[in-house]
Amino acid sequence: AQSVTQLDSQVPVFEEAPVELRCNYSSSVSVYLFWYVQYPNQGLQLLLKYLSGSTLVKGINGFEAEFNKSQTSFHLRKPSVHISDTAEYFCAVSRGVEISSGSARQLTFGSGTQLTVLP
Amino acid sequence: DAGVTQSPTHLIKTRGQQVTLRCSPKSGHDTVSWYQQALGQGPQFIFQYYEEEERQRGNFPDRFSGHQFPNYSSELNVNALLLGDSALYLCASSLGHPGAGNTIYFGEGSWLTVV
Repeated sequence: AQSVTQLDSQVPVFEEAPVELRCNYSSSVSVYLFWYVQYPNQGLQLLLKYLSGSTLVKGINGFEAEFNKSQTSFHLRKPSVHISDTAEYFCAVSRGVEISSGSARQLTFGSGTQLTVLP
Repeated sequence: DAGVTQSPTHLIKTRGQQVTLRCSPKSGHDTVSWYQQALGQGPQFIFQYYEEEERQRGNFPDRFSGHQFPNYSSELNVNALLLGDSALYLCASSLGHPGAGNTIYFGEGSWLTVV
């Protein structure tokens, strides 16, 4: 089984400042890693994903994340945030080894980090 | 290209009643999963359907059941509703076969309030 820990439940930051949202995971098998964003009263939108290859992953809206296998982390970063980035951010993990069709794609989510960008 | 669509968007039910939520996956996707997101929490996996069969199930009671139709759309049914079932129910779709990549797309969700 996998688990995800998002270390900060709330992160306030001023506009144009950099931000890092932290995510750590645990798993006994290889994993795929994801960051989703949820704006108020909406569903989840995929920001970026790590499946394999380069450990630095770039996503939409200027976000990027770095997979660190030794530290089992997948922290999300943005060099300069905007008011419109205010939202809830969820880190998620799924098993990376697909045994058979339909068997591997359940996501385990962290509890979320509320990013609030202040003017 | 239509994304994942869910209906209804909001509904209110009374304790003990039954509810059915519906989901149409993204075009070309054959796997549908359902998640429950309680207020202030991350989504929790309920179950997943592929080829009209339940393939995986999370830690939810048998009151939660589902169905997948030949056109890949899906329903989530909850019987004997409890106040604690009040939540946002999210449908997610993806491709089910190995090696297809692993992008999972979510719908806007159905808000269920049990009173």
